[in-house]
Amino acid sequence: QSALTQPPSASGSPGQSVTISCTGTSSDVGGYDSVSWYQQHPGKAPKLMIYDVNKRPSGVPDRFSGSRSGSTASLTVSGLQAEDEADYYCSSYAGSNNPLDFGTGTKITVL
Amino acid sequence: EVQLVQSGAEVKKPGESLRISCKGSGYSFTSYWIIWVRQMPGKGLEWMGRIDPSDSHTKYSPSFQGHVTISADKSISTAYLQWSSLQASDTAIYYCARRRYSNVWYDYWGQGTLVSVSS
Repeated sequence: QSALTQPPSASGSPGQSVTISCTGTSSDVGGYDSVSWYQQHPGKAPKLMIYDVNKRPSGVPDRFSGSRSGSTASLTVSGLQAEDEADYYCSSYAGSNNPLDFGTGTKITVL
Repeated sequence: EVQLVQSGAEVKKPGESLRISCKGSGYSFTSYWIIWVRQMPGKGLEWMGRIDPSDSHTKYSPSFQGHVTISADKSISTAYLQWSSLQASDTAIYYCARRRYSNVWYDYWGQGTLVSVSS
């Protein structure tokens, strides 16, 4: 069972913003500037969307942003588009002896 | 162009052995760890283990230790995930991904390999 907890689902209408959370502890999310987020469409491989809490890889739209407060990280998708409907997983560094595991996952639905 | 290309879908019977592969190209294969991730039908991502292709050092999740083996052949830029005795509960999609050891994210992923185990 993952140590990083995410809400099972979130939704929003096109053009709106949706924010999902990733709750950990001071040993992972709260202890390092090392949270990443992955998007997974049905039948597809995960894709890196955010790394180091709030950095976007080249090619990821700036509608996607990340933040952190204490032991909870957040992913915000602004200006929702139909193509943003997918599962999203967080991940956090938890020390060199621990794997870079994944959160429980959140399905974002575009209404 | 960086690519991780995985081997094709497999259909196996319980008790059979299997090895699936993940071939890297477009980058220095020994400069990145390769991890394996399981995704059971309708479920989330589970970290299984990783290998450093430069020295074949491995680390496994306790949940998978002893049930799978991760290996790599750096001469052909390929990592492997293998089972000696499959179970029906191994039915899943398996992904490989790479991580530079100085970074804490997975930037490229394979397309996934579907393994179906049924009698």
